[in-house]
Amino acid sequence: QKEVEQDPGPLSVPEGAIVSLNCTYSNSAFQYFMWYRQYSRKGPELLMYTYSSGNKEDGRFTAQVDKSSKYISLFIRDSQPSDSATYLCAMRAIAGGTSYGKLTFGQGTILTVHP
Amino acid sequence: DAGVTQSPTHLIKTRGQHVTLRCSPISGHKSVSWYQQVLGQGPQFIFQYYEKEERGRGNFPDRFSARQFPNYSSELNVNALLLGDSALYLCASSKGQVNTDTQYFGPGTRLTVL
Repeated sequence: QKEVEQDPGPLSVPEGAIVSLNCTYSNSAFQYFMWYRQYSRKGPELLMYTYSSGNKEDGRFTAQVDKSSKYISLFIRDSQPSDSATYLCAMRAIAGGTSYGKLTFGQGTILTVHP
Repeated sequence: DAGVTQSPTHLIKTRGQHVTLRCSPISGHKSVSWYQQVLGQGPQFIFQYYEKEERGRGNFPDRFSARQFPNYSSELNVNALLLGDSALYLCASSKGQVNTDTQYFGPGTRLTVL
């Protein structure tokens, strides 16, 4: 079993739709949760970062973490064609010393928002 | 400030050859990590370096090695290339000093092994 499972999609939605992206994890040591966006042939770009259960909002994006269920979500409101990309969830445990520790990624969800 | 830079952008090698990939972190960042991203998958952790010392290693064979230089730039070396090594190799940099450290990724080097 993989440590992080991400709903693979792909997802195709009309412009203006609300998008829900989800990941589950099995390692209870994970304490930090991130969502990255990756455009084709580019490196991942950090969208959201959170380390507590609950919701965190940033513009049209909301990250939700439920540590008791080991489940995280990213919601995108009023989706735009420019949101079309691969979305990756990533997690890491509390690092020892001054090292920040490795990121463990889900397999990514390809999102297409059509006009 | 410039972001994370990686070179070369693309690389084509044949099986059995050796490759060296290079990464320059964001100015002021002392930690560099390397990830391998196979097409259709999420990145997989290979190495982490902080202050020129290896701080973490993923589940990759000994054919993979890396080092970090005094200016915090880094090299990833892969020996005896296999077809399965074809992937996007990503470098991420961070300050490396706190638990809430944020990793910033470069554009990657796309390696094709024929």
